[in-house]
Amino acid sequence: DAKTTQPNSMESNEEEPVHLPCNHSTISGTDYIHWYRQLPSQGPEYVIHGLTSNVNNRMASLAIAEDRKSSTLILHRATLRDAAVYYCILGVPGTYKYIFGTGTRLKVLA
Amino acid sequence: DTAVSQTPKYLVTQMGNDKSIKCEQNLGHDTMYWYKQDSKKFLKIMFSYNNKELIINETVPNRFSPKSPDKAHLNLHINSLELGDSAVYFCASSQVSRGIYNEQFFGPGTRLTVL
Repeated sequence: DAKTTQPNSMESNEEEPVHLPCNHSTISGTDYIHWYRQLPSQGPEYVIHGLTSNVNNRMASLAIAEDRKSSTLILHRATLRDAAVYYCILGVPGTYKYIFGTGTRLKVLA
Repeated sequence: DTAVSQTPKYLVTQMGNDKSIKCEQNLGHDTMYWYKQDSKKFLKIMFSYNNKELIINETVPNRFSPKSPDKAHLNLHINSLELGDSAVYFCASSQVSRGIYNEQFFGPGTRLTVL
C-alpha cells in the first residue's frame, strides 16, 4: 500500500488561506488522492479527492503536482470550525480499503 | 436523520468480559467498515463487508467477530476483552462501484474503555 507523509501540525490565522501538504512519492498510476478530516470527538468526514487534475469543491481545493508525487489541500479562508486533523490517503475507487496516515493537526487562531 | 449511527457511544467494562457494538446506516450503501482509533489517534481499518460478505480482515485477533445481518447493519462482538482493546471504534459505509468514486461516511464512534 502506498504511503503518505504529512506534517504533524500546522497553524493558521482565521480568515487566511491554509495550504496542507502531502507527499506520496510511491503513488501508483491508479491511486486516487483523498482527503478526509476529523473534527474533535467526531468521525472522519470526506473533504475532496482527485486523480491528476486540480479539483475544487465547496469545502476546499486540491492541487496535485504534475508528477503526482505530492499534493496540497487548500482551505481558502480558514475558520475556527476548520480546526481538525486532516488525513491524506491514497486508494483506488472500487476497492474496499483506505490506509489512514498520522494526519496533520490544524490549529486555527482567532 | 443520522446517516451512520453507532450504539453505545461509551462502553466501560472489565477485562475478560464480552461486549458488542452496533452500527446501522440508512444510506442504502452496500459496504460497511469497522475502524479502530487508538490512544495515539492512529486510525486503522479492521474489517470490511460488502453485501454482507467479509471482504477485508486486517489480521485482527479472532476475539473480534463482525456480523452483518443485512446490508444496513454491521455489528462488532468482542470476546475476552483486554486492556489493549481500549480505543474508539468507528463504523463507516460507502457504495463501492468500480470506476466511480464514492466517499466513506463515518459514524460518531464508540469509546471503549477496558478496566
